[in-house]
Amino acid sequence: GNSVTQMEGPVTLSEEAFLTINCTYTATGYPSLFWYVQYPGEGLQLLLKATKADDKGSNKGFEATYRKETTSFHLEKGSVQVSDSAVYFCALSDLGDYKLSFGAGTTVTVRA
Amino acid sequence: NAGVTQTPKFRVLKTGQSMTLLCAQDMNHEYMYWYRQDPGMGLRLIHYSVGEGTTAKGEVPDGYNVSRLKKQNFLLGLESAAPSQTSVYFCASSILAGYEQYFGPGTRLTVT
Repeated sequence: GNSVTQMEGPVTLSEEAFLTINCTYTATGYPSLFWYVQYPGEGLQLLLKATKADDKGSNKGFEATYRKETTSFHLEKGSVQVSDSAVYFCALSDLGDYKLSFGAGTTVTVRA
Repeated sequence: NAGVTQTPKFRVLKTGQSMTLLCAQDMNHEYMYWYRQDPGMGLRLIHYSVGEGTTAKGEVPDGYNVSRLKKQNFLLGLESAAPSQTSVYFCASSILAGYEQYFGPGTRLTVT
């Protein structure tokens, strides 16, 4: 079955530092890959997505590239802000499959 | 567009009481989902629906019932609440299976 493994947190950074959160997946088909972000006390918001190999998703300064050869979808941001403090979830879904498989989430705290 | 909304935001129940959580979406999505989020457990799918009048079990359906009488609404019921059902509940919707899911803001339920 499909599964997602993401790096465990928590991750604590200073403002303007570089952020990377590793995500690898196992899938039987050709999944779409997603990063969701959950700010404190809120629901999950779609941050970015990629639907096929070598696609790069980007939003709000975050980027992730769908790497089929390494089954990875690592999230990166070049210069984080305090407002980026949140929990980040990697997820995958196969077309036609109702199930969205989530990673365990990585808590990121950015200090001023 | 309001997106996905949930009612109520907070609720405290005594063991054995019943309640219904309401989810509404205005995006004309076919698929709707109910998740629970618990510390260290990530998001777990309770029930889902592939269209008006349909429901199906997810990973952790015991103790919950659902109904989808109208396309835009998905109700989650607890007939006899237990302390183990203390959690944050999220509703989500997607246009079709395998596409990104859009989440509501959550309902924090405490059962004493």
